[in-house]
Amino acid sequence: GAGVSQSPRYKVTKRGQDVALRCDPISGHVSLYWYRQALGQGPEFLTYFNYEAQQDKSGLPNDRFSAERPEGSISTLTIQRTEQRDSAMYRCASSLLAGGPTGELFFGEGSRLTVL
Amino acid sequence: GQQLNQSPQSMFIQEGEDVSMNCTSSSIFNTWLWYKQDPGEGPVLLIALYKAGELTSNGRLTAQFGITRKDSFLNISASIPSDVGIYFCAGQLASGGGADGLTFGKGTHLIIQP
Repeated sequence: GAGVSQSPRYKVTKRGQDVALRCDPISGHVSLYWYRQALGQGPEFLTYFNYEAQQDKSGLPNDRFSAERPEGSISTLTIQRTEQRDSAMYRCASSLLAGGPTGELFFGEGSRLTVL
Repeated sequence: GQQLNQSPQSMFIQEGEDVSMNCTSSSIFNTWLWYKQDPGEGPVLLIALYKAGELTSNGRLTAQFGITRKDSFLNISASIPSDVGIYFCAGQLASGGGADGLTFGKGTHLIIQP
C-alpha cells in the first residue's frame, strides 16, 4: 500500500483479555518495527524484524508481549492477559532497507489500546 | 537503556521567530534523526544525520550531529503556523545493518502564536 497501515485504529478491551494488533508495512519494505508511545512521550522501541526474522525483541516489556511476521510482510503484535498499564498507542514503522544507513522509518497512524 | 534528554519540553513563540531545540545523550550514537509528529499522526522524518559534525539543511530546517556523537540540535528559521507540532530527536546505536531500533527523546512541543 501507499503507507503503513495499522488495524484496529482503536481497541478497547477488558483487563485479562488478549489483543492482536496488525501492521501492514509499505510494500517492499524489508524492516518492520513496533513502538509503543505513551501520551506526551516519544515512541519506545519494542521489537523489529528484517523480512520474517525477528532481530531484536529487547524492548518487549515482558513475556505477555509477542510479535510475528511469518511471511515477511504483515506483522501482528499480540498482548496476552492485558493489564491497564498496557494502555498506549502502538505504532508500527517500516523501512526500505535492512542494510546501510537506517533510521528512515515510515510510521503508521497507530493502534490506540485502552484496557479497562 | 539509553536515554535522550530533549529540550526544551515546549516552546511558545511568535510566527516568524527562529526556533532551536536540542538533544543530548549519555551514549554515543552513530545516527541522529529528527521527526515531527502532528496530532493523530505518526512521526514523520525531517532530517537524518549520519556523520559526526555533519550539518544538514532541509528548507528552513537545519540540524547538526555533534562532534562528540552525544548530541544534536535542530533549528527552524522564520517559523510559520504549519510548524506547530511535536518534534522528536532519535538516535540509533548501530551504523547500518538495520540493527537496534531508534531511541526517541520525549519531544519538544512547538506552539506558534499568531
